[in-house]
Amino acid sequence: EPEVTQTPSHQVTQMGQEVILRCVPISNHLYFYWYRQILGQKVEFLVSFYNNEISEKSEIFDDQFSVERPDGSNFTLKIRSTKLEDSAMYFCASSVTGGAVTQYFGPGTRLLVL
Amino acid sequence: DQQVKQNSPSLSVQEGRISILNCDYTNSMFDYFLWYKKYPAEGPTFLISISSIKDKNEDGRFTVFLNKSAKHLSLHIVPSQPGDSAVYFCAASENYGGSQGNLIFGKGTKLSVKP
Repeated sequence: EPEVTQTPSHQVTQMGQEVILRCVPISNHLYFYWYRQILGQKVEFLVSFYNNEISEKSEIFDDQFSVERPDGSNFTLKIRSTKLEDSAMYFCASSVTGGAVTQYFGPGTRLLVL
Repeated sequence: DQQVKQNSPSLSVQEGRISILNCDYTNSMFDYFLWYKKYPAEGPTFLISISSIKDKNEDGRFTVFLNKSAKHLSLHIVPSQPGDSAVYFCAASENYGGSQGNLIFGKGTKLSVKP
């Protein structure tokens, strides 16, 4: 069964450093998403992406964040200058279409900012 | 601002019995609801969904009920199995205009099914 994959599974970085989290969505899916879950809190929407541009973003997704689809398979989330509060699990998701459809999630990347 | 609420942080059920997980929402514009199951150190796994035009959807041991007037949905698992032990998240989306349906999650309910 096709699945969303994410790399790395764990990332430790120093505050102020740039990190890039990578995702390979399900191959026939056209809509891509990033969510995060801070320890002990809810899963929160960050951004959605379709047709090589951002469709929606939350207030969490500020200028420090960017997303890109650099090739036909990868979907990346970049945090330019990490802060302690960026420590969280980051989940990538994809769906066939947008709107009222099921989003399928990857296993997540645990980011720890020291 | 909790638009999706799961008021029970945990639930313990005997194997073979019914598990009922509840979810309330406040946004009347939500029109699609999903349940995800999550094991530690894994991503949310899709279980079952329901559109607001329905009041019930069934898939094997899992049934989701939607009561729009009460803004309440529930997930029934019958019979419960030890492998069902996980955290269950309720999620909702509103789909209008250019919205791509970003999901709003509840805090989750940890289900423990005891043999």
